[in-house]
Amino acid sequence: KAGVTQTPRYLIKTRGQQVTLSCSPISGHRSVSWYQQTPGQGLQFLFEYFSETQRNKGNFPGRFSGRQFSNSRSEMNVSTLELGDSALYLCASSLAGISNQPQHFGDGTRLSIL
Amino acid sequence: AQSVTQPDIHITVSEGASLELRCNYSYGATPYLFWYVQSPGQGLQLLLKYFSGDTLVQGIKGFEAEFKRSQSSFNLRKPSVHWSDAAEYFCAVGGANNDMRFGAGTRLTVKP
Repeated sequence: KAGVTQTPRYLIKTRGQQVTLSCSPISGHRSVSWYQQTPGQGLQFLFEYFSETQRNKGNFPGRFSGRQFSNSRSEMNVSTLELGDSALYLCASSLAGISNQPQHFGDGTRLSIL
Repeated sequence: AQSVTQPDIHITVSEGASLELRCNYSYGATPYLFWYVQSPGQGLQLLLKYFSGDTLVQGIKGFEAEFKRSQSSFNLRKPSVHWSDAAEYFCAVGGANNDMRFGAGTRLTVKP
């Protein structure tokens, strides 16, 4: 079956703009989580959605938000972009959780802020 | 909250040699433990996981890992490394609060 799909793969924005990233999970998976990956900070958990509800949130400012639709697809939004937001954003899906189930990752969206 | 330490940032091994990547965790209860691999430009792929039971777990691509509670470790091993194993490896720990923490990663270089 199809894996986790993230769109777009690459994105270039300027400071102050906002951006929306999309993630389509594996069919049947209800949990979608988002991670930010940078060389300096590594993989950091942003948030997890399950059945359209945010169930867990990492330590990121409110500029980072997300949502999940009834078909489990998820979007992540970052407003008022800063240079430090340049990163690879990874989406992962699992059947029902993130801590006690394997997660399936997409190939990520590489966001560059100019 | 749980935490994960991967002491080795970069490891170089010769093709055909054995490999051991270290992972230490901190968590008050029995954690859920994972190893993932990431090739350049791609997402993470699960190699293996440990939840309970036999402390030696087998994964894909010939990898195995051993859970040692007394040492709070979950080291990844492979008896003979192939050039295609060159990638970044992440250890991860899940806790009862539906939280997930990743280690900083170990980059593996394979010499011909």
